[in-house]
Amino acid sequence: KAGVTQTPRYLIKTRGQQVTLSCSPISGHRSVSWYQQTPGQGLQFLFEYFSETQRNKGNFPGRFSGRQFSNSRSEMNVSTLELGDSALYLCASSLRSRRGGYNEQFFGPGTRLTVL
Amino acid sequence: TQLLEQSPQFLSIQEGENLTVYCNSSSVFSSLQWYRQEPGEGPVLLVTVVTGGEVKKLKRLTFQFGDARKDSSLHITAAQPGDTGLYLCAGDRYGGSQGNLIFGKGTKLSVKP
Repeated sequence: KAGVTQTPRYLIKTRGQQVTLSCSPISGHRSVSWYQQTPGQGLQFLFEYFSETQRNKGNFPGRFSGRQFSNSRSEMNVSTLELGDSALYLCASSLRSRRGGYNEQFFGPGTRLTVL
Repeated sequence: TQLLEQSPQFLSIQEGENLTVYCNSSSVFSSLQWYRQEPGEGPVLLVTVVTGGEVKKLKRLTFQFGDARKDSSLHITAAQPGDTGLYLCAGDRYGGSQGNLIFGKGTKLSVKP
């Protein structure tokens, strides 16, 4: 089974620009979560999509948004980039069902975003 | 305030030594996962512990979930250079009904040959 894929792997942008990152989950996984990882803050939860709907959201400004398509692929968008948005953006997929169960998440390799 | 505290933050040891990494919280978790992350890659799931007091072994790695399901530990026996990486614990407070895990900041382990 193919793992979680993320594109692009590396991205360099300048302040004020916007960026779109893509994530393809493991086949059969319907939940996609996005995390931001920085050396200072570690992994912080951005949002989760399940069945094309945002189910949970972390404490990030509205410049961070996302969406999920019918095939479970997900994109996240960051508008008006700031220097502090430089980070590794990780996508994770899971089999999460409405009945719960173990929330085991499987991560992609991440997209390294650098904002100049 | 960090919900999951990991210690130590950094650990540099020689090949063959034993080590323990701790993950502590004041909150109860329905399950807790341990991940290992190598530079430039995403975290890779090592184990999930669910029951208070549970012990799981993965070759030279032993994982324990506290009786009250608020803390966990990872013990590595006879560490090898291939064990080098960032070890992350992550807790699920909602029994899988919500899609976010709470992550500790990680323990960066370096095993020298």
